[in-house]
Formats: sequence, C-alpha cells, structure tokens
Amino acid sequence: GDSVTQMEGPVTLSEEAFLTINCTYTATGYPSLFWYVQYPGEGLQLLLKATKADDKGSNKGFEATYRKETTSFHLEKGSVQVSDSAVYFCALPLSGAGSYQLTFGKGTKLSVIP
Amino acid sequence: DVKVTQSSRYLVKRTGEKVFLECVQDMDHENMFWYRQDPGLGLRLIYFSYDVKMKEKGDIPEGYSVSREKKERFSLILESASTNQTSMYLCASSPLQGSYQPQHFGDGTRLSIL
Repeated sequence: GDSVTQMEGPVTLSEEAFLTINCTYTATGYPSLFWYVQYPGEGLQLLLKATKADDKGSNKGFEATYRKETTSFHLEKGSVQVSDSAVYFCALPLSGAGSYQLTFGKGTKLSVIP
Repeated sequence: DVKVTQSSRYLVKRTGEKVFLECVQDMDHENMFWYRQDPGLGLRLIYFSYDVKMKEKGDIPEGYSVSREKKERFSLILESASTNQTSMYLCASSPLQGSYQPQHFGDGTRLSIL
C-alpha cells in the first residue's frame, strides 16, 4: 500500500549548517507530496508541497524536489537557524476514491544549536 | 487563512469518564479528521468525515466515536476514558478535492487520563 519512509532523528545541527531530511515513498501513480512542520507545542503546518514529477516546492528557505525516478522528496535547507528547530513530517495522499486521507512519515526531530 | 480551532490545549480527565474533544474550522471544508500523536508512532488516524453526519473509521477507532452535526464542527468522543488514551490529539480539515489540497491542523489537545 501507499507509504512514506523518512529518516529517523533526532538530527542536531549547528546554526548555518546544511540540512537534508530524506523521504521516500511508495504509491500508485503520481500523487502530490507534502512536507509539514510542527513547532514545539503546536499543531502541524504545511511547509511546502509538489503536485507533479520534477516540481520543486519551496518555502522559508526550505526546498524539496519531487523525483519519480528515485521516488523521493528530500527536504533541504542551505543554512538552518535556531528557529527551524521542530519536527518535520513527509506526507502523501492515499490512493483511491477521493484521496481524502494522508499518510505521514514518523517525523524527524531537528534541533539547531547556536 | 484557514483556522482550525480545538477547544482545549490541555485537558486532564479520570479513567471511566466520557470525554469530548471539540474542533471547529472556518473555511467551509468538507473533510475533517482526528489524529492522535504519540512519540515514536507518528500520527495515526482515528476517524474522518467527508460530509455532515458522515464518518469513516481510520486506523485506530477502538474506544472512540465521533459526531458531525454541522459542517464546521467535528467532535471526538472517548466513551470511557482509559490511561492508554493519554496522548496529543490533532484535528485537521481539507476541502473536498483532497489529493491536491493539504490538510490544515489545529494546535492540538494534550489529554491526560489519570
């Protein structure tokens, strides 16, 4: 069935370091792909999305490219800040009528230290 | 901006109590969802609804029920609370065309059952 696998954390980086969080997926067809972020004590917020192959989603300095050849949607940021400390989730819609449901990866906790 | 409001940020209840968690969205979305979030397990779908008075079981519906009497409101009910239902509960909504549209989340309710 449809599923998402993302790298397990926690990940600890120094400020201004380069970030990559890996996400691979298994799906029928070519679904939209999403990255969500959860800051401490809050719900999930949509960070970025891509709706078709080779699309690049971007927001707040984060980027992810939809690669159908490798079934991947890795999240990257060139220079992280302390304020980026959060849990990041990769997600995709389940195939089937309506595609109402999302399936999420287990989340990757990022801590950025000054 | 879409606003999903959960009635309580923190809630403490006793075992055996009937517990109601309320969620309201202001964007006229057809779909609404209830998840629980636990460390190491990510997000797990409890129930969802794609229309008023309609409901579908998610991955872990046991011990829970839901109510959707109005389009904007989706309630999660713990019929007889137990300690293993201590968790973070997240509500989300999305428009009908689900596969290209992200879900929008509330800030969550951290529920403790003593």
